[in-house]
Amino acid sequence: DQQVKQNSPSLSVQEGRISILNCDYTNSMFDYFLWYKKYPAEGPTFLISISSIKDKNEDGRFTVFLNKSAKHLSLHIVPSQPGDSAVYFCAASVTNAGKSTFGDGTTLTVKP
Amino acid sequence: GAGVSQSPSNKVTEKGKDVELRCDPISGHTALYWYRQSLGQGLEFLIYFQGNSAPDKSGLPSDRFSAERTGGSVSTLTIQRTQQEDSAVYLCASSPTQAAGDQFFGPGTRLTVL
Repeated sequence: DQQVKQNSPSLSVQEGRISILNCDYTNSMFDYFLWYKKYPAEGPTFLISISSIKDKNEDGRFTVFLNKSAKHLSLHIVPSQPGDSAVYFCAASVTNAGKSTFGDGTTLTVKP
Repeated sequence: GAGVSQSPSNKVTEKGKDVELRCDPISGHTALYWYRQSLGQGLEFLIYFQGNSAPDKSGLPSDRFSAERTGGSVSTLTIQRTQQEDSAVYLCASSPTQAAGDQFFGPGTRLTVL
């Protein structure tokens, strides 16, 4: 029973366009959601997060949207840059529980 | 260095052997986590240490897996009698708080069991 799902294993976009990565979750106890970015042979790095009391959080080119009723969140990258090419993991947790539950990741390729 | 370090970076072992994976967290971080990532999959939580509290071992897949954290710093993940399905990248993370977003990951140890 996978509690966090990223249904698109890969996404390819043109430089300058918007990248939209999607994530669905099933556990209604989750109240804190995160996106991580991972380059090959490196550990994941934290990108952006959102608490369940919000429906949007923005940080520069990155915006995360949360739809609690649909148990869905998305990461928007605008404009996309070739350096954004990486694997993006969605993760969910219960606040202060420490551990996170991760999706399987989406490989983003931004073409110049 | 300032980041989380893990050793070895790669480990190849034969089925049935024991392995030890090491994690050096960021100095001062009270929380330490172990995850593993199998090929094409997401990160699977294994175990979580927070200060002097009893560790959360709920993610350990079998009793062949154990971990300890000595002196609130370095952690060792031990896998006994390794099996081929144990092959994965084992990732360690540390955090200054219990907040999930504060996790800083190491580069991982790639374990291959032949």
